[in-house]
Amino acid sequence: DIQMTQSPSTLSASVGDRVTITCRASQSISSWLAWYQQKPGKAPKLLIYKASNLQKGVPSRFSGSGSGTEFTLTISSLQSDDIATYYCQKYNTYSQTFGQGTKLEIK
Amino acid sequence: EVQLVESGGGLVKPGGSLRLSCAASGFIFGTYSMNWVRQAPGKGLEWVSSISSNSHYIYYANSVKGRFTISRDNAENSLFLQINGLRAEDTALYYCARGGTFYPNDYWGQGTLVTVSS
Repeated sequence: DIQMTQSPSTLSASVGDRVTITCRASQSISSWLAWYQQKPGKAPKLLIYKASNLQKGVPSRFSGSGSGTEFTLTISSLQSDDIATYYCQKYNTYSQTFGQGTKLEIK
Repeated sequence: EVQLVESGGGLVKPGGSLRLSCAASGFIFGTYSMNWVRQAPGKGLEWVSSISSNSHYIYYANSVKGRFTISRDNAENSLFLQINGLRAEDTALYYCARGGTFYPNDYWGQGTLVTVSS
């Protein structure tokens, strides 16, 4: 099975900072990668699909890049509303493995 | 507006069973694959099971294979998860989500909590 590994597990940043989260797949998944945001007590929300496509309604400060085995989620200017846990997920096969999550905190 | 509403969770003793339901609205349910994803308290997301639009393709995570059964009723716009032989490690919030192979989970329900305890 393909494993998905996110780094870092926790990230502390200030409002206005550029933030980058990395997700690595143990084998190539082409561009079949999604990013989700989950706030406490809420269901996950789709941010990015197919590695770099912004889901409708998601602020443009969020962007995704990468293909194959290495992917990044970038927040260009961190806002206080972005405090959440972020997950990557592969969906190139029936087994939709998630990364372990990155908890984003305000410094 | 797309809506997914889960129900059926509760407190169950080890070895017990539950049937989770997910009522879908706001889209043509019978044309989409659907998934169950769970989240143990304080932990990350774990994919549990997927079913294709016509129920021809069904998949399970190794951790639940043989104990969980996914099904759907397209006429009733409903998704189900029959969970048997419950274990403490099955305690989690169970989400239904619209998505599948080559399609991300673009809509999620609010989840239904399953607690396994004696």
